[in-house]
Formats: sequence, C-alpha cells, structure tokens
Amino acid sequence: SQTIHQWPATLVQPVGSPLSLECTVEGTSNPNLYWYRQAAGRGLQLLFYSVGIGQISSEVPQNLSASRPQDRQFILSSKKLLLSDSGFYLCAWRSKLGHNSPLHFGNGTRLTVT
Amino acid sequence: AQKVTQAQTEISVVEKEDVTLDCVYETRDTTYYLFWYKQPPSGELVFLIRRNSFDEQNEISGRYSWNFQKSTSSFNFTITASQVVDSAVYFCALSQGGSEKLVFGKGTKLTVNP
Repeated sequence: SQTIHQWPATLVQPVGSPLSLECTVEGTSNPNLYWYRQAAGRGLQLLFYSVGIGQISSEVPQNLSASRPQDRQFILSSKKLLLSDSGFYLCAWRSKLGHNSPLHFGNGTRLTVT
Repeated sequence: AQKVTQAQTEISVVEKEDVTLDCVYETRDTTYYLFWYKQPPSGELVFLIRRNSFDEQNEISGRYSWNFQKSTSSFNFTITASQVVDSAVYFCALSQGGSEKLVFGKGTKLTVNP
C-alpha cells in the first residue's frame, strides 16, 4: 500500500532563517506531488505541484520554492523565512492512473516563524 | 475558472442530530470531479468521496450521504445521527477534467457536542 511521509511535524524558526520541508511517498511510482498551505483560518492554498522529476509548477508567487530531485521526493524550501510563512504545510500525492484521482495527504508540518 | 464555496463557516450540533454541509461549485468544464475531505483536530486530511460530473446518483456510505445536483451546482454532504467523532473541518474540492489541480473550499468546521 502507498504511504506518504512528511517531516518534521512541527517547526519553529526565526525570521530570516532558511527552511526545508521534505516529503516522500512509498508504494507508488511517478505520482503527482503537491504542496498546500493552510494559514490561520482553514482554507487550503495550492503552492506547488509536480508531475515529474524536476518539473515544478508554482501557483502563487512568494518566498518559497519547491524541488523534486527524485521520483517520490518533494521538497519545500525558503532561503529567508517571513512571518507570513507561518502555517500548516501539507504534502500530497496523486496517482496518474484513472481520471482525476483523489489526493492523499501527509500529516502536515506546523511551521511557526517567530 | 473554477471555484468552490462552502458558505457555512462553522456548525454546531448535538449528538444524534442530522447535519448537512453545503458545497456550491463553479466551473466551465462539462467534465469535472468533486471531492469531500475530512480534517480532524490532528490535522491530516482524509479523503471521503469522489464524484464525476456524469454521475448524479446520490451516494450513501453508512451514516454519510452525498447529494449531487448539477442543476444547482451543489454537492452537499449529510451526516445522519452525528457523533462526537464527526467533529472536524470538512472540505469540498473540485478538479476540472484533465487538470492536475484540486481547488478547495474554505471548509466548514463541524462541532458535535455530547
């Protein structure tokens, strides 16, 4: 069966520090991968998605970047964090098989920028 | 453009009451997919159901049921005989046919009180 791992679960970082959140998927190959952010309140905002290694689509211009160095690895980064980067970050994967298959989410990383 | 509206921000019910969560969507495509997710207090998003635009049959799964009506662009979710464990934020989402992206509504926070 497929599993998705996301770490760390919580993170407190000072303004101006770098960020690296990692997400890996097991039990599937060539998935679509996604980063969402859920800010205070509850809406889910799509940040990046990737349909393959090295292929990144950015949805919102911002302080963050994403990379996909391996088929089942998706990394969210920032060189210098802003207070507004605080939030709950969720990684998700989706199979390319079938039509518009559901997203499956990791447990999330709660980031607090101080 | 695609959009999902969940007009109910928060709902509070007493255990055993029935509750309906509303979802209204906008899309220009004739082929699209609708989803419901549950986010319990722990934070992870749990996939509940996917529906394609060509299948308007209502669906029932235990205490959960979904009413899809293209005429009103709605995909409402009803929980029968609610339980405390149903307390969560529920998200409705839309994906246009062939799109890599899933657009979420802002969510409805459901609190079931004992």
